[in-house]
Amino acid sequence: EAGVTQFPSHSVIEKGQTVTLRCDPISGHDNLYWYRRVMGKEIKFLLHFVKESKQDESGMPNNRFLAERTGGTYSTLKVQPAELEDSGVYFCASSQEGWAGQNNEQFFGPGTRLTVL
Amino acid sequence: AQSVAQPEDQVNVAEGNPLTVKCTYSVSGNPYLFWYVQYPNRGLQFLLKYITGDNLVKGSYGFEAEFNKSQTSFHLKKPSALVSDSALYFCAVRDILSGNTGKLIFGQGTTLQVKP
Repeated sequence: EAGVTQFPSHSVIEKGQTVTLRCDPISGHDNLYWYRRVMGKEIKFLLHFVKESKQDESGMPNNRFLAERTGGTYSTLKVQPAELEDSGVYFCASSQEGWAGQNNEQFFGPGTRLTVL
Repeated sequence: AQSVAQPEDQVNVAEGNPLTVKCTYSVSGNPYLFWYVQYPNRGLQFLLKYITGDNLVKGSYGFEAEFNKSQTSFHLKKPSALVSDSALYFCAVRDILSGNTGKLIFGQGTTLQVKP
């Protein structure tokens, strides 16, 4: 079974540019999460999809960040325009469907390392 | 506010010796606790979780963790460390205040270094 995949693995952009990160969850997983780890600090939650619906986006830093999950499969996270403080590692995770899935372990992708210069 | 603390940035242990990576938490109500490990250039891998039941939870790669409600701790342990256990370890708790979501709150991570 394929795990969670993320693309690209690394991205280096200049301040003011736009970057789009992609996450493909494990097939059949309704729950999809985005997290971010900035400068070696703790991993922080960004948002949670259940299928194509945003269940919780309380962790999104500001309106420069836009996440989508059209069709309830893969998800994209767009940062526009990027700022220096957006640099970090962006992780995607998925877990099994349904309410019970909320207590199931989340399977993480390898992350996308974003560097904003 | 709910939180997780990993008081040690780094833990050093000799191969073959027991290891402990510490984690304490602060939550309202019953905690749902997780340990993840990140090897270099890899994503986080699930090790084990505590939802309910026995306080001693066994997980992958010979790791176990002990849930201690009175001390609000969930320390990760292994009886005999391997050099290959060297990695970054994260403790996490499910944010139960957020309602119907599996949102995790993570500690800052502890680097485990096992020396031959």
